[in-house]
Amino acid sequence: GAGVSQSPRYKVAKRGQDVALRCDPISGHVSLFWYQQALGQGPEFLTYFQNEAQLDKSGLPSDRFFAERPEGSVSTLKIQRTQQEDSAVYLCASSLASWGNEQFFGPGTRLTVL
Amino acid sequence: AQRVTQPEKLLSVFKGAPVELKCNYSYSGSPELFWYVQYSRQRLQLLLRHISRESIKGFTADLNKGETSFHLKKPFAQEEDSAMYYCALSFTGNQFYFGTGTSLTVIP
Repeated sequence: GAGVSQSPRYKVAKRGQDVALRCDPISGHVSLFWYQQALGQGPEFLTYFQNEAQLDKSGLPSDRFFAERPEGSVSTLKIQRTQQEDSAVYLCASSLASWGNEQFFGPGTRLTVL
Repeated sequence: AQRVTQPEKLLSVFKGAPVELKCNYSYSGSPELFWYVQYSRQRLQLLLRHISRESIKGFTADLNKGETSFHLKKPFAQEEDSAMYYCALSFTGNQFYFGTGTSLTVIP
């Protein structure tokens, strides 16, 4: 079947706009992760879901960042009042379970805030 | 605090030469360690993890708890090994910490 998909692939926003980034994990995958990858850096953990429960959101950089996964499948990462420092690639990954399991990554959404 | 350090941003080796990509971590317990790879225009994918002790595409990595290292090695580099390599650590099962990555170029 299809792998993890993310949409949109590219997003340009004006500073102050709200954006919503979507992730469709692999069907049946329990765990879902969001990462932020700034230019020249490795992915940085943002948040983790097990089914619909957000078990860890310690990596979210501010209260402008919000993630949800209401039915335990598709997830949305929302950024309110975007700032230039939010410009990055946002990666979504899913895995069958959590501990020690391979994460399958999506292609990412490149967000540019002008 | 930086939990995973990859000291080389860029590494070039000739085809057929041995290659070693360094990874050091800071954690006193028993972490899970991984190497992820991203080939050009492809998505990030798992290369290997220390618990499986596998050799994938000729690559191996040994966890050295004394030196807190998990270096990736291959005895004979191939051109198709050119990619971005990320070392990653997990100790909660939920959070994964990635290094800044090493870009490997294998020169024909």
